[in-house]
Amino acid sequence: GQSLEQPSEVTAVEGAIVQINCTYQTSGFYGLSWYQQHDGGAPTFLSYNALDGLEETGRFSSFLSRSDSYGYLLLQELQMKDSASYFCAVRSSGNTGKLIFGQGTTLQVKP
Amino acid sequence: GAGVSQSPSNKVTEKGKDVELRCDPISGHTALYWYRQSLGQGLEFLIYFQGNSAPDKSGLPSDRFSAERTGGSVSTLTIQRTQQEDSAVYLCASSLRGGVTEAFFGQGTRLTVV
Repeated sequence: GQSLEQPSEVTAVEGAIVQINCTYQTSGFYGLSWYQQHDGGAPTFLSYNALDGLEETGRFSSFLSRSDSYGYLLLQELQMKDSASYFCAVRSSGNTGKLIFGQGTTLQVKP
Repeated sequence: GAGVSQSPSNKVTEKGKDVELRCDPISGHTALYWYRQSLGQGLEFLIYFQGNSAPDKSGLPSDRFSAERTGGSVSTLTIQRTQQEDSAVYLCASSLRGGVTEAFFGQGTRLTVV
C-alpha cells in the first residue's frame, strides 16, 4: 500500500517563509507532486520532483530526498493569497497512473 | 473545452436515490481520475481510466459505485441507493496520459444526501 503524511495545519505571517513537509511510504516510487487547493476550488498542480534535490518555480520550491522518503514544499515571500490547502501526491506503483494524495496541509497566512 | 468540466456543480438527493455525475476531460487527455473529498479532508482515490478501460477501480467504496467512460472522453460516475455517508465533493481530473504527473482537476460536484 501507499501512504503520505503531512502536517494538518501551518500558520505563518505575510512575507515569511514556510516549509510544508511530506513523508511517504510506497511500494514503488514515481515522483512526488504538490497541489494547491483554495477553499471551494479545484486542486491545481504546483510542482513535481522525480529526482533528489530542489526544484524552483518562482516563490515556490520543492525538495525531494528519495533515500529518506521525504519531500517538502517551500513557499517564500508569503502573500495572503497563499492561504490554501497544500497536498503532496505520489504516483502509484505498477502500470496504473493514479495519484495518491496526502491529507493536506492547511496554510493560514496572517497579516 | 479549455478545462475539465463537471456537472452538476451541486446535487441534493434523497437517501436511496441513484445519482449520476458527469465529467468532460480536457480534449486529448487519455487518463481520467475520480476522487472524493469530504469536508476538510484529503482526496480519496476512486477509479482511474486509461482510454475507455479502468485498470484501477480499487478505490470504489462499495458495489453501489460504478463508473464508465465512453469514446475515450466523457465519464459518468454512478452512485446507486445513495447513503448519507456518500455526501462529499466528487472531483474529476484528467492528464495527457497515465503516469503523467500533472493532473488537471474540475471544480467538482458537491453531493448532499438528505
